Amino acid sequence: DVVMTQSPLSLSVSPGEPASISCRSSQSLRHSNGYTYLDWYLQKPGQSPQLLIYLGSNRASGVPDRFSGSGSGTDFTLKISRVEAEDVGVYYCMQALQTGKYSFGQGTKLEIK
Amino acid sequence: VQLVESGGGLVQPGGSLRLSCAASQFTFSRFWMNWVRQAPGKGLEWVANIDPDGSENYYVDSVKGRFTISRDNAENSLYLQMNNVRVEDTAVYFCARRVGSGSSQSTSYYYYGLDVWGQGTTVTVSS
Repeated sequence: DVVMTQSPLSLSVSPGEPASISCRSSQSLRHSNGYTYLDWYLQKPGQSPQLLIYLGSNRASGVPDRFSGSGSGTDFTLKISRVEAEDVGVYYCMQALQTGKYSFGQGTKLEIK
Repeated sequence: VQLVESGGGLVQPGGSLRLSCAASQFTFSRFWMNWVRQAPGKGLEWVANIDPDGSENYYVDSVKGRFTISRDNAENSLYLQMNNVRVEDTAVYFCARRVGSGSSQSTSYYYYGLDVWGQGTTVTVSS
């Protein structure tokens, strides 16, 4: 099974400053079709998770362009170019390489300084 | 576009519970559907998914043989039958829609994330 490891597990960022979260998988998430099956989700306090990024680098509908995803193989990064107060919450990476074996990272809690 | 879960509650270890997820404002029968859970104060855990016509389904190892995912496309509903529940099944259970078609066994594995989530229903397993 694919194990997802995020770092850091928490970070505190001042408004307007950048933030970066790393996600590493125990095996390559590149499918034989050439796509890489890595998502990023944000769970704001008291809310359900929401999709931010799919296939490693594609922003979901309505997601501000200050969010970007990058990476390949086993190493991925979510970057927020300028953190805003509404970005607080827990960020999760999730792999979907195999239809029946999705798995999430432990989560990274973002707080505002 | 909305997903609304129901059916959660308090159940004793070894007992059963059936969760439901009602879909609205989209063509439910075209989408893979998922159950994802979150234990109190913990992270997200994928539990199960099912293909659009209900013929293909998958489970995380910890629930295999105890939980059954199903759907009724005529009723726009997704279900999770939970049998022989354990204390460690205590969690908020979310249903989530997967955008895209196909499964990973083929090159035609079209996937665009889990884009719609319900608000969750709470399951507590305790004696």
